[in-house]
Amino acid sequence: EAQVTQNPRYLITVTGKKLTVTCSQNMNHEYMSWYRQDPGLGLRQIYYSMNVEVTDKGDVPEGYKVSRKEKRNFPLILESPSPNQTSLYFCASSLRGGLTYEQYFGPGTRLTVT
Amino acid sequence: AQKITQTQPGMFVQEKEAVTLDCTYDTSDPSYGLFWYKQPSSGEMIFLIYQGSYDQQNATEGRYSLNFQKARKSANLVISASQLGDSAMYFCAMREADMNYGGSQGNLIFGKGTKLSVKP
Repeated sequence: EAQVTQNPRYLITVTGKKLTVTCSQNMNHEYMSWYRQDPGLGLRQIYYSMNVEVTDKGDVPEGYKVSRKEKRNFPLILESPSPNQTSLYFCASSLRGGLTYEQYFGPGTRLTVT
Repeated sequence: AQKITQTQPGMFVQEKEAVTLDCTYDTSDPSYGLFWYKQPSSGEMIFLIYQGSYDQQNATEGRYSLNFQKARKSANLVISASQLGDSAMYFCAMREADMNYGGSQGNLIFGKGTKLSVKP
């Protein structure tokens, strides 16, 4: 089944404790992206990747890191999480970054930082 | 300035009636793509429909259609014959050219969403 998977789905952690949210897609997509969703703000892009070893900042990159060493995986790293990073996180992918390609979303990761 | 504006934070519709969800966008690029996504209470994001800036006809997908008015920069989603399962958040999004990649690729920019509630 074609899908985007994220792990973990739920995570409660404490301020400053490094964490990684994994994202994997099995559709051989070139483009991958991370979003955060907060009430009343819609989805905001954190980082994106047009292909392997190519990553760029989105609208809200502060406090996050990413890497794209292989095509299928695009982990999101929070080196020192803070309470303002409590949010619902989505990973998404599309065949390419072109204007006509819809993005397929993972199920989301709900992160709470205390 | 907001790129995608959804002016209806919440809407109600009677089951079996049609409903229109508004979306206006702001871009100076001639090439762009417009998307609608549905987010039910379970949280996943579901792609509904796509409209390209050069498409001559309005997009349709089953009960979903897109009322695309390019001069007005609006891309309203029309849901016909509403069902209880249509109750969800609906997001309008635009993919416009990214000049870091020669304008041929772009990122998805989302509006803040409209919460649709279907009444039995």
